[in-house]
Amino acid sequence: SQTIHQWPATLVQPVGSPLSLECTVEGTSNPNLYWYRQAAGRGLQLLFYSVGIGQISSEVPQNLSASRPQDRQFILSSKKLLLSDSGFYLCAWSAPGLRQLGYTFGSGTRLTVV
Amino acid sequence: SQKIEQNSEALNIQEGKTATLTCNYTNYSPAYLQWYRQDPGRGPVFLLLIRENEKEKRKERLKVTFDTTLKQSLFHITASQPADSATYLCALDPRGFGNEKLTFGTGTRLTIIP
Repeated sequence: SQTIHQWPATLVQPVGSPLSLECTVEGTSNPNLYWYRQAAGRGLQLLFYSVGIGQISSEVPQNLSASRPQDRQFILSSKKLLLSDSGFYLCAWSAPGLRQLGYTFGSGTRLTVV
Repeated sequence: SQKIEQNSEALNIQEGKTATLTCNYTNYSPAYLQWYRQDPGRGPVFLLLIRENEKEKRKERLKVTFDTTLKQSLFHITASQPADSATYLCALDPRGFGNEKLTFGTGTRLTIIP
């Protein structure tokens, strides 16, 4: 069966420090991969999505970046965090062309920038 | 721009009654609409997908309707139970293969009162 792993679960980082969040998917190949951010009391905002290795689309201009070095690995990074980067970060995957299965989300990373 | 509204931030329903949640959208013509459940501190979990040419979809105690004329989806939970308490998110699913990026509403926090 397919599983998605996201870590760390919680992170407290000072302003100006770098960030690296990792997400891996098991049990499937060539998944669509997504990074979403959820601010307190707000909906999920799509940050990046990827349909293949090295193929990244950015949805929102920001100081974050994403990379997909392997088929089932998706990394969210920042060189210098801002206070506004605080939030709940969620990685998700979907099977291309199989919409009826929906998205599968990871357990999320709670990031607090101080 | 696209806008998704979920009728209320919070909804309290007596156990055993039917809970009805509303999702309205503007400036969009989704091919599909999805519903997710999110528990506090967790990632959303996929519940149901309904296509634009389907009026209604059922899964156990869940029922979803999709009215493309009204640009509205209704999500019903019949015989509600305290375990149904969670935040429910609707998501618009655009047309086209390779364009499977969901846009989420802000959610409705449902509380089932024993």
